[in-house]
Amino acid sequence: QKEVEQNSGPLSVPEGAIASLNCTYSDRGSQSFFWYRQYSGKSPELIMSIYSNGDKEDGRFTAQLNKASQYVSLLIRDSQPSDSATYLCAVLNYGGSQGNLIFGKGTKLSVKP
Amino acid sequence: NAGVTQTPKFQVLKTGQSMTLQCAQDMNHNSMYWYRQDPGMGLRLIYYSASEGTTDKGEVPNGYNVSRLNKREFSLRLESAAPSQTSVYFCASSEGVQPQHFGDGTRLSIL
Repeated sequence: QKEVEQNSGPLSVPEGAIASLNCTYSDRGSQSFFWYRQYSGKSPELIMSIYSNGDKEDGRFTAQLNKASQYVSLLIRDSQPSDSATYLCAVLNYGGSQGNLIFGKGTKLSVKP
Repeated sequence: NAGVTQTPKFQVLKTGQSMTLQCAQDMNHNSMYWYRQDPGMGLRLIYYSASEGTTDKGEVPNGYNVSRLNKREFSLRLESAAPSQTSVYFCASSEGVQPQHFGDGTRLSIL
């Protein structure tokens, strides 16, 4: 059973700090990784994707991937109260007629003003 | 700018009743998905459809059936609802293999 593990949190950071969200996965052959943000009572929205080892930056968000350690992380710089949400890590799993995503259970982030 | 539209938004059923959750997307995406989300369990894939006329089982397909009616619509049917199917159901669509657009969800309670 392929698994994606995340610390459920809550992770609490002060406004303006860097929030670091972590994710590990079990399938060493995984090639594609995604971060979704989900506000309470709302649907998930895709915020980052990463496919190669290293860092990928998009505004205040940086995704980091280390395939050797089977580890992917999301850094949020200058955290804002509006970043308070649950962050879902997802890993592409190839099975069936096409790949599909395996989601972690999510980490709840709380940014305190 | 509808994106992915799910109906209904809320539903309460009795054990053994049947119902169909509807999903439609207006982005001309090939791939569509049905997920369920339970507290502490994350999103789990029920069924997906890579293109019109094809469907495949996901992680938790038991108790569900799907129909990809055309490119726009992908419905999920519960033939005989059970309390274990109480959940929030999300439909999603994408052009690639990862779901990019989610609907607002259907909150389903089965008594």
